[in-house]
Amino acid sequence: GIQVEQSPPDLILQEGANSTLRCNFSDSVNNLQWFHQNPWGQLINLFYIPSGTKQNGRLSATTVATERYSLLYISSSQTTDSGVYFCAVKGGSEKLVFGKGTKLTVNP
Amino acid sequence: DTGVSQDPRHKITKRGQNVTFRCDPISEHNRLYWYRQTLGQGPEFLTYFQNEAQLEKSRLLSDRFSAERPKGSFSTLEIQRTEQGDSAMYLCASSRPLRYTDTQYFGPGTRLTVL
Repeated sequence: GIQVEQSPPDLILQEGANSTLRCNFSDSVNNLQWFHQNPWGQLINLFYIPSGTKQNGRLSATTVATERYSLLYISSSQTTDSGVYFCAVKGGSEKLVFGKGTKLTVNP
Repeated sequence: DTGVSQDPRHKITKRGQNVTFRCDPISEHNRLYWYRQTLGQGPEFLTYFQNEAQLEKSRLLSDRFSAERPKGSFSTLEIQRTEQGDSAMYLCASSRPLRYTDTQYFGPGTRLTVL
């Protein structure tokens, strides 16, 4: 089945810093989503981005489907950005396959 | 749009007991999914429904697990004879695939602890 790798596994930033999270996947996909999981476990949708570039406030994402990777950019990070960021893809079936996530800690 | 809801939010049970979880999807979403997440891992797919039909099941879904979506609206996930290894967060998601989007929206989860 399709494999998803996220890097880095852990990231510690000072408030105000910028960061880039990466998601590599092993096969063609027709769905790619980025999520933020808050400390209570809720998965919050950030982007649906099987290809191209999207921006939402301080967050933006780019997926290069032909090269099988996606990037999530966080600018001017805030303490509320802390949590785990997941990339999930859908290939030949209807299930989302998740990576192991990037744990982001933003210190004041 | 009230979001996906799940009940209960937390469940503590003793090994060997049966438990049932409920998921209410976003209204008009015809697809409903169940995932399981253990500590430090990403969610893993269990099963999905399109309307009332269960169309795909993971090998993770042993014969102790059963899921239903009887009228194509809410869904239940039952675990019989629970084991300590069943302790996890059980997540439900729903979607309504359209031409330009197929976003899955997740509920808050049910955290199961098996003692």
